Amino acid sequence: QQPVQSPQAVILREGEDAVINCSSSKALYSVHWYRQKHGEAPVFLMILLKGGEQKGHEKISASFNEKKQQSSLYLTASQLSYSGTYFCGTEITNQAGTALIFGKGTTLSVSS
Amino acid sequence: SAVISQKPSRDICQRGTSLTIQCQVDSQVTMMFWYRQQPGQSLTLIATANQGSEATYESGFVIDKFPISRPNLTFSTLTVSNMSPEDSSIYLCSVEGGPGQGLETQYFGPGTRLLVL
Repeated sequence: QQPVQSPQAVILREGEDAVINCSSSKALYSVHWYRQKHGEAPVFLMILLKGGEQKGHEKISASFNEKKQQSSLYLTASQLSYSGTYFCGTEITNQAGTALIFGKGTTLSVSS
Repeated sequence: SAVISQKPSRDICQRGTSLTIQCQVDSQVTMMFWYRQQPGQSLTLIATANQGSEATYESGFVIDKFPISRPNLTFSTLTVSNMSPEDSSIYLCSVEGGPGQGLETQYFGPGTRLLVL
């Protein structure tokens, strides 16, 4: 059930672009993207809903293909501040309600 | 988004002891969640805690090891019981919230860094 992220790691120079993918073996209704810097809590970036696309953060955008059960995060003209680990989260439903489970993460390193 | 605080921020404990982690939110929320993040790893959901009901645990986590309380809509505690070095991890509290436009997601507290010797 855990979503699968690729690649595991990306190394960029400032100004370069990157794409991070997230896929699931089950039907997706939404995908949630987070960034976590070392020693800090994960920070919400954006949510993608089935049938929609949301651009939410700096020069970071994302797409959601519900047929392929995957989402992609696009980082354009990367900045040093983009460095960190990116996680995608997908929803599960348990007795208490809906919660997020996360992929293993993609570590992005941006250098000058 | 909600402001979430956790106590303690870090602790070093001896094996066999227990530690209770507190999570406080500055607004009322229905759903709170507890996650574990082992070094360099992903976020693993331990349980979902709603006020007025027992927490719902994910596979691999049991109430005897990780008892949870949720006495009101702004507070929760997670206890790590009878600790072993394998419990060394970051424990994160998370709450439901929305970025607006009717959307719902989760926000995370700063985490509690636990080292068990």
